[in-house]
Amino acid sequence: AQSVSQHNHHVILSEAASLELGCNYSYGGTVNLFWYVQYPGQHLQLLLKYFSGDPLVKGIKGFEAEFIKSKFSFNLRKPSVQWSDTAEYFCAVNTNAGKSTFGDGTTLTVKP
Amino acid sequence: GAGVSQSPSNKVTEKGKDVELRCDPISGHTALYWYRQSLGQGLEFLIYFQGNSAPDKSGLPSDRFSAERTGGSVSTLTIQRTQQEDSAVYLCASSPGTSGRRGETQYFGPGTRLLVL
Repeated sequence: AQSVSQHNHHVILSEAASLELGCNYSYGGTVNLFWYVQYPGQHLQLLLKYFSGDPLVKGIKGFEAEFIKSKFSFNLRKPSVQWSDTAEYFCAVNTNAGKSTFGDGTTLTVKP
Repeated sequence: GAGVSQSPSNKVTEKGKDVELRCDPISGHTALYWYRQSLGQGLEFLIYFQGNSAPDKSGLPSDRFSAERTGGSVSTLTIQRTQQEDSAVYLCASSPGTSGRRGETQYFGPGTRLLVL
């Protein structure tokens, strides 16, 4: 069975700092990888996803993530965070079975 | 257009009672998922429906949990004889179901916050 590990439970940054949230998964086959975000008081929504092709994917609001197959990783990055990026971020893995496995989430707090 | 809706938004019940949680997916979406999110934890997969195929129930934690999807649209998650450990946010998501089982974005509802006293 696949599993997803997010290394940081809570990250606190000042505005303009760079962000990298770690995500590692365990599954030997072909995967699709996602980052979802939940802003305070809002629904979970897709930030970006990797399906195939270029392992560097770009999402909304300046976020990007790089799929490194050899490391089973899909880390999320943003060069300069804003206060509005304060949210909870979830990494997820989907296999051919259809269901997704989510990590425990990382809460990002950006200080203005 | 309308997104995924769930009802009720909050539910408080007494231990031992049964509860029903409802999910209305985005119109035309054939795939529907239920997750549970306990305090401070990630999303725990419960069940997955895809069209007319048999649902994937592998995430249901016990036989007190069941779900059905009528007419390929609305889904109901039922928890019988609720326990305090069932307290959590129950999230429903749907996806188009047109690109096979891989790579589809899931669209989430607002969740139902269940509290079992």
